[in-house]
This record gives sequence, C-alpha cells and structure tokens, in this order.
Amino acid sequence: AQSVTQPDIHITVSEGASLELRCNYSYGATPYLFWYVQSPGQGLQLLLKYFSGDTLVQGIKGFEAEFKRSQSSFNLRKPSVHWSDAAEYFCAVGNAGNNRKLIWGLGTSLAVNP
Amino acid sequence: DAGVIQSPRHEVTEMGQEVTLRCKPISGHDYLFWYRQTMMRGLELLIYFNNNVPIDDSGMPEDRFSAKMPNASFSTLKIQPSEPRDSAVYFCASRASLRAEQFFGPGTRLTVL
Repeated sequence: AQSVTQPDIHITVSEGASLELRCNYSYGATPYLFWYVQSPGQGLQLLLKYFSGDTLVQGIKGFEAEFKRSQSSFNLRKPSVHWSDAAEYFCAVGNAGNNRKLIWGLGTSLAVNP
Repeated sequence: DAGVIQSPRHEVTEMGQEVTLRCKPISGHDYLFWYRQTMMRGLELLIYFNNNVPIDDSGMPEDRFSAKMPNASFSTLKIQPSEPRDSAVYFCASRASLRAEQFFGPGTRLTVL
C-alpha cells in the first residue's frame, strides 16, 4: 500500500539549532517527493521537491532534503532554525503517471524556543 | 501572478444549512483538488478534476457533499445539509498538467454549529 510516514508528531528546537524532520514512504512507482509548510491559519506552501537527479535538493527558506532510495526516506533539514520556522510540515509523494494524487503524511508540528 | 483564490475565508453556519465554498485555480492549471483538513484525520483529498471533469471523488464523505467545475477558472464544493462534523478547513489546490507539485489556496475555515 502507498503511504507516507512522518514519525515525529511534534518537535521542539531552540532557535539557531539544527533541524531534521523525518519522512518515510512506501510507493510502488518511482516517487516524486515533496515537502510543504503550513504556517498557522495559512495554506500549504511548497518548500522543495525531488523528481530525479541529485538526491540532495535545495528549497526555499534555507531548507534542504535528501532522497535516500535504499531507506525510502526523504528527510528535511535546516542548519539553523529561525523562530519564524515554527509551523506544520508535511511530506508527500506522487508520480508523473496517470495517478495525479499525492499521498500525504500526517505532518510534524515544529515549535521553536527563543 | 495570483495564486489559488478561495472564498469565503471563514464561514459559520448552523446545522442543516447549505454551504458553498468557492475556488479559482491558477490560470493555466488544468488539475484542481479539494481537500479537507481536521485535527483528527489530517489532510484528506475529497475530489479532483482534470480539465473540468471529475476524475476521482472517492474521498467525498457522503452524498451531502458535491463538487462542480463549470469552467477552467471556477469550482465549488457544496455541503447540503451541513452537520457539525463537517467543521474543518477546506483547501483548494491546482497544478499544471506537466508538473507534479500542487499549489494551495489559503483555505476556508468552516464552522457548523
């Protein structure tokens, strides 16, 4: 079955600390992978995406993610967190085939301590 | 460029009333998705359209929910009659045919009393 797992429901980090949010997927086809961020009261904004090529992808707001096929993972990282990064983060997987739906994780809520 | 536009941003209604949510996708996008987000169930895909045609409505919870896309620039999600358990944030998203990423609107927060 196709699924996306974000093992951490909630994470708290101190401002300036590094961050890693985990995402594992189960998907039959070659995956397209996404990270979205949702600030309180806002819609979801695309942070970054992986389709093919270099397995380390850069996104907006200083985020990056690494695709590891052997581990079926696509973890999101940021070297130094800012208070404005406090938000909900969603991982999603899809493909370029006929199925245009994305499979979504349940999200990880990030809190940032000053 | 304007993003996905949704209206209203907030809707408070009483149980039994009809609710209509509206969405304008990004110009040139030919896929449109309706999602519902709740604390209990997370982000759920309700239905999606391709070129104004509903492709997959398996996520629509029951017959009280209906969605239409009369043209490429407008879609509605209707709930009739509404129930308190329909309270949620409803998102519309769109994507271009040759792209995989979806772009989301700001959402409509629905409260059914």
